[in-house]
Amino acid sequence: QKEVEQDPGPLSVPEGAIVSLNCTYSNSAFQYFMWYRQYSRKGPELLMYTYSSGNKEDGRFTAQVDKSSKYISLFIRDSQPSDSATYLCAMSESSNFGNEKLTFGTGTRLTIIP
Amino acid sequence: NAGVMQNPRHLVRRRGQEARLRCSPMKGHSHVYWYRQLPEEGLKFMVYLQKENIIDESGMPKERFSAEFPKEGPSILRIQQVVRGDSAAYFCASSPLRTVQETQYFGPGTRLLVL
Repeated sequence: QKEVEQDPGPLSVPEGAIVSLNCTYSNSAFQYFMWYRQYSRKGPELLMYTYSSGNKEDGRFTAQVDKSSKYISLFIRDSQPSDSATYLCAMSESSNFGNEKLTFGTGTRLTIIP
Repeated sequence: NAGVMQNPRHLVRRRGQEARLRCSPMKGHSHVYWYRQLPEEGLKFMVYLQKENIIDESGMPKERFSAEFPKEGPSILRIQQVVRGDSAAYFCASSPLRTVQETQYFGPGTRLLVL
């Protein structure tokens, strides 16, 4: 079983729709949760991060973490064609002495149809 | 403030040759991470370095792969005697503070093709 599971998609939705992207994980030590966006042939770009459980909103993006269910989500409101990309969830353990490596999901390929 | 820089962007090698990938972190960043992305897979952690120190190399293959981050100059990921299975995109990330885990910034990647 992978530490982080993410539906690879592809996912296609019409412009303006609400998009829901999800990841589940098995490692209870994960404390930091991130979402990265990766355009084709580019490096991942940090979108949002959260610490522990709860919600965080940034413009059209909302990140949710439910540690009891080991489940995280990213919601995109009023989706735009420019949101078309691969979305990667990433997680790391909290530590003062290293182990800051990120563990990624496989990524969900999203296409917003104009 | 320039972002993370990687070069070359594309690298073609024949089996058995050496591949050398370079990463210059963002200005003010002293922590470097290398990840590998195979086709249709997510990024896999390889190694975490600070200046002149390897902090975590738990994701590095035991043979042929090595990494360094000297006091001066870029971080280098070296792959000796490359094989076709090494073909992948290699990404470098940097961060300013060890405990601020959410701020790993990625470079554009080096795409290695082994013929």
